Amino acid sequence: QKEVEQNSGPLSVPEGAIASLNCTYSDRGSQSFFWYRQYSGKSPELIMFIYSNGDKEDGRFTAQLNKASQYVSLLIRDSQPSDSATYLCAVNRETSYDKVIFGPGTSLSVIP
Amino acid sequence: EAQVTQNPRYLITVTGKKLTVTCSQNMNHEYMSWYRQDPGLGLRQIYYSMNVEVTDKGDVPEGYKVSRKEKRNFPLILESPSPNQTSLYFCASSLYGDSTSNQPQHFGDGTRLSIL
Repeated sequence: QKEVEQNSGPLSVPEGAIASLNCTYSDRGSQSFFWYRQYSGKSPELIMFIYSNGDKEDGRFTAQLNKASQYVSLLIRDSQPSDSATYLCAVNRETSYDKVIFGPGTSLSVIP
Repeated sequence: EAQVTQNPRYLITVTGKKLTVTCSQNMNHEYMSWYRQDPGLGLRQIYYSMNVEVTDKGDVPEGYKVSRKEKRNFPLILESPSPNQTSLYFCASSLYGDSTSNQPQHFGDGTRLSIL
């Protein structure tokens, strides 16, 4: 089992819809969870981080964390074509908090 | 402007010819890290450094060396490059490296290495 798993996609949603991106992790003691966005040919940039169970909202983005289920998700409301990118989930390891493990990423395409 | 600067951005070289990819940050960050990104495998950590003179192996350190003599610089050294090290490399930094600070990582623009 990989440490951090994501559906590779591509996930296609129409403009204005809600895009839902999912991530599961294997290290039960993980404390910090990050979502990065990466445009093609560019470097990753942070979208959200969350470390408490529940929801965290920032503009059109909502991160949801369920530690019992070892599941973290990212919802993008009112999706725009500019949201088309690969979304990387990253999780720290319980055994070594300074190591952050990235998932393979989910490719999102927002269709105008 | 706060940034992480990598050089070179692109490099084509041959097997066995030593090369260094430089990384510099101007944010006074303590934590720096190197990743490689390959299709289908995502970002994998090569080495990281919690502070000056402190470095540690990530998940894929074989064939790489690093040093952290100054806070701002964290070069990645390939002593004898091989074709399986052809990849896209990212340097990143954050204020601190531990999870309690929840500091995001700031990434450089990437270095695309091709080893023939």
